[in-house]
Amino acid sequence: QKEVEQDPGPLSVPEGAIVSLNCTYSNSAFQYFMWYRQYSRKGPELLMYTYSSGNKEDGRFTAQVDKSSKYISLFIRDSQPSDSATYLCAMSETGANNLFFGTGTRLTVIP
Amino acid sequence: GAGVSQSPSNKVTEKGKDVELRCDPISGHTALYWYRQRLGQGLEFLIYFQGNSAPDKSGLPSDRFSAERTGESVSTLTIQRTQQEDSAVYLCASSLQGGSGNTIYFGEGSWLTVV
Repeated sequence: QKEVEQDPGPLSVPEGAIVSLNCTYSNSAFQYFMWYRQYSRKGPELLMYTYSSGNKEDGRFTAQVDKSSKYISLFIRDSQPSDSATYLCAMSETGANNLFFGTGTRLTVIP
Repeated sequence: GAGVSQSPSNKVTEKGKDVELRCDPISGHTALYWYRQRLGQGLEFLIYFQGNSAPDKSGLPSDRFSAERTGESVSTLTIQRTQQEDSAVYLCASSLQGGSGNTIYFGEGSWLTVV
């Protein structure tokens, strides 16, 4: 079993839709949770960062962490064509040097 | 520079040849990471440098892989006797400090194809 599981998609939605992206994980020691966005042939860029459980909102983006279920989500409201990218979840333990990544979900927002 | 810089951006090499990939981190960042991203897969951690401490090499897949870093600046990832399974994007990243809780900034990657 992989440490982090993520549905690879692809996911296509119409412009303006609410998008839900999810990851599950097996390591209960993970405390830091991140979402990265990666455009084609570019490096990942950090979108959202959450420590432990709870919700965090930034503009159209909301990240949720449910440690009891080992489940994290990223919601995108009023999706735009410019949101079309691959979204990667990542997580780490306290004091760790490395991040564990999901495989990424490829999202296309259709105008 | 403003971001993490990597070179070459693309490299095609013959099986069995050695390759060197270079990373120039963000100025002032003490931590530097190398990750590998194979097609359709998530990023795999390779190696981590923090200041003058001994690097964390726990992610290197075989002894054909090695990396060096000069102080808190440039790093080079070397793959010896390349194999076709080494074809991937090699991503370098840096952060102001090491350890969890610090934002990691990625470069655009070196796209390696072994033929």
